[in-house]
Amino acid sequence: RKEVEQDPGPFNVPEGATVAFNCTYSNSASQSFFWYRQDCRKEPKLLMSVYSSGNEDGRFTAQLNRASQYISLLIRDSKLSDSATYLCVVRVTGNQFYFGTGTSLTVIP
Amino acid sequence: DVKVTQSSRYLVKRTGEKVFLECVQDMDHENMFWYRQDPGLGLRLIYFSYDVKMKEKGDIPEGYSVSREKKERFSLILESASTNQTSMYLCASSTTPYEQYFGPGTRLTVT
Repeated sequence: RKEVEQDPGPFNVPEGATVAFNCTYSNSASQSFFWYRQDCRKEPKLLMSVYSSGNEDGRFTAQLNRASQYISLLIRDSKLSDSATYLCVVRVTGNQFYFGTGTSLTVIP
Repeated sequence: DVKVTQSSRYLVKRTGEKVFLECVQDMDHENMFWYRQDPGLGLRLIYFSYDVKMKEKGDIPEGYSVSREKKERFSLILESASTNQTSMYLCASSTTPYEQYFGPGTRLTVT
């Protein structure tokens, strides 16, 4: 069983749409959670950390459900520039990070 | 701003060559990582280091070695490059318990 699982997509949505990605993790001892964004042929960059109470950054909202061991990312009012691959990342210990394979998003004009 | 740099963006090597990939970070992070990323497989950890001269194997260490002589520098070595090591190599650094920062990646082609 993979440590972190994501729906690979692709998600193709029109501009202005709301889109949600989910991610599940297998280790209940996981300590920290993140969403990264990766543009084509570029490195992953931190989009946002995910906190237990949920958190929002502009059009992006992240939620954590420890009981069910899943993380979500909601993007509202999608922009063309949101087109990218979104990686779910879980830190189990100080040095153990596990990555999902990513969910591909294309926002269509 | 955290900066992680890698020695090359693109590299072409022949089978059997010894290959050195270097990574430097400027934020005094204790943890450094080497990953490879392949389509459909995501990021896979090759090695990581939590201190100078300390290293731990990741999920796919075979065919690779690493060196960390200084805190800011972490090198990945392919002792004898093979075609199945053609990949994107990503270096990252972090300070516990926070997120990782990635370098721009090295796209290695072994012919």
